[in-house]
Amino acid sequence: EAGVAQSPRYKIIEKRQSVAFWCNPISGHATLYWYQQILGQGPKLLIQFQNNGVVDDSQLPKDRFSAERLKGVDSTLKIQPAKLEDSAVYLCASRIPGRDVAYEQYFGPGTRLTVT
Amino acid sequence: AQSVTQLGSHVSVSEGALVLLRCNYSSSVPPYLFWYVQYPNQGLQLLLKYTSAATLVKGINGFEAEFKKSETSFHLTKPSAHMSDAAEYFCAVSRGGSQGNLIFGKGTKLSVKP
Repeated sequence: EAGVAQSPRYKIIEKRQSVAFWCNPISGHATLYWYQQILGQGPKLLIQFQNNGVVDDSQLPKDRFSAERLKGVDSTLKIQPAKLEDSAVYLCASRIPGRDVAYEQYFGPGTRLTVT
Repeated sequence: AQSVTQLGSHVSVSEGALVLLRCNYSSSVPPYLFWYVQYPNQGLQLLLKYTSAATLVKGINGFEAEFKKSETSFHLTKPSAHMSDAAEYFCAVSRGGSQGNLIFGKGTKLSVKP
């Protein structure tokens, strides 16, 4: 089966510009996550969707970050305006919406963002 | 609140030697624990998980981990390192449940010397 797809793989922008990342989860995976992974740290959850509804966005910096999943399939994460500290790898993951988090999350390859 | 501490940001072993990557957790409820591996420029891949069944968990690529409640630890081991094991390893904890999310440690980079 196809894995989680993300694009672009790399992006370089200047501070105060805007950027968008795209994720297509594994078919049938209604639960979708966006993580931010800063160099030298583990991934940090930004937002979790169940179908097209937001389950958890408590760690999303809402003044500059936004995410949507309009049709319950693919998702976009946007940063506007970007800051230097947003330089990171943005990972998308998906899983079957089971009763328990023990169901495995499948990760995409990530988008490496560099803000100059 | 839950948290994970991985001791050692960088571990170096010789090929054929024992691999030991340390993870200690903090959780107010019985935790679910995970080890993920990340190869350069790739996403994370699940190695193994503990979900309150057997305390010794076997995963892929010859790795295993033992849940020790008294020590709040979930260390990852492999008897004999291979060059292909060189990667970054992340321990993660979750409170479980349908909305339980993963909280990751900072990671340990494993180097394998020939």
